[in-house]
Amino acid sequence: GIQVEQSPPDLILQEGANSTLRCNFSDSVNNLQWFHQNPWGQLINLFYIPSGTKQNGRLSATTVATERYSLLYISSSQTTDSGVYFCAVPVVGNQFYFGTGTSLTVIP
Amino acid sequence: GAVVSQHPSRVICKSGTSVKIECRSLDFQATTMFWYRQFPKQSLMLMATSNEGSKATYEQGVEKDKFLINHASLTLSTLTVTSAHPEDSSFYICSAREPFSYEQYFGPGTRLTVT
Repeated sequence: GIQVEQSPPDLILQEGANSTLRCNFSDSVNNLQWFHQNPWGQLINLFYIPSGTKQNGRLSATTVATERYSLLYISSSQTTDSGVYFCAVPVVGNQFYFGTGTSLTVIP
Repeated sequence: GAVVSQHPSRVICKSGTSVKIECRSLDFQATTMFWYRQFPKQSLMLMATSNEGSKATYEQGVEKDKFLINHASLTLSTLTVTSAHPEDSSFYICSAREPFSYEQYFGPGTRLTVT
């Protein structure tokens, strides 16, 4: 089956710093989503980004489908950005297969 | 964006009892809902796909008789953990997909503890 690897697995940032999270996937996909799971477990949709670049405030994402990776950029990080970031890609039947996750801690 | 609710948010039950978790799409009709399980510090694992009016499709290794899924309406899917055991303790999350869309929206999750 498809493999979805995220890096880095853990990241600690000083408030105000920028970061790039990466998602590599082993097979061609026709869509991809990025999620933020907050400390209470709620998954929040960040981007639906099968290709190209999107921006939403301090966050932006780029997917290069032909090279099988996606990047999530966080600029001017805040403590509320802490949590786990997942990318997810669809498999047969449009079920999502989740990546391994990046755990982000932003310290004041 | 679309809103998905889950109830209860947290439940503690004794070994051998059954627990029902509800997943509702509040402002859209969801022909397809998904159930995931997440262990501490791990990723989400898909358990089953629930289609309104038909039987759920379970992932390999998920016991159909233990995790009963019912999707009786376009806004409600339920997961019943039957004869729960401590190893069933986990965080259960549902998601729903709008018709003609690939995007999924997730509920807040249910933390199940079996004692």
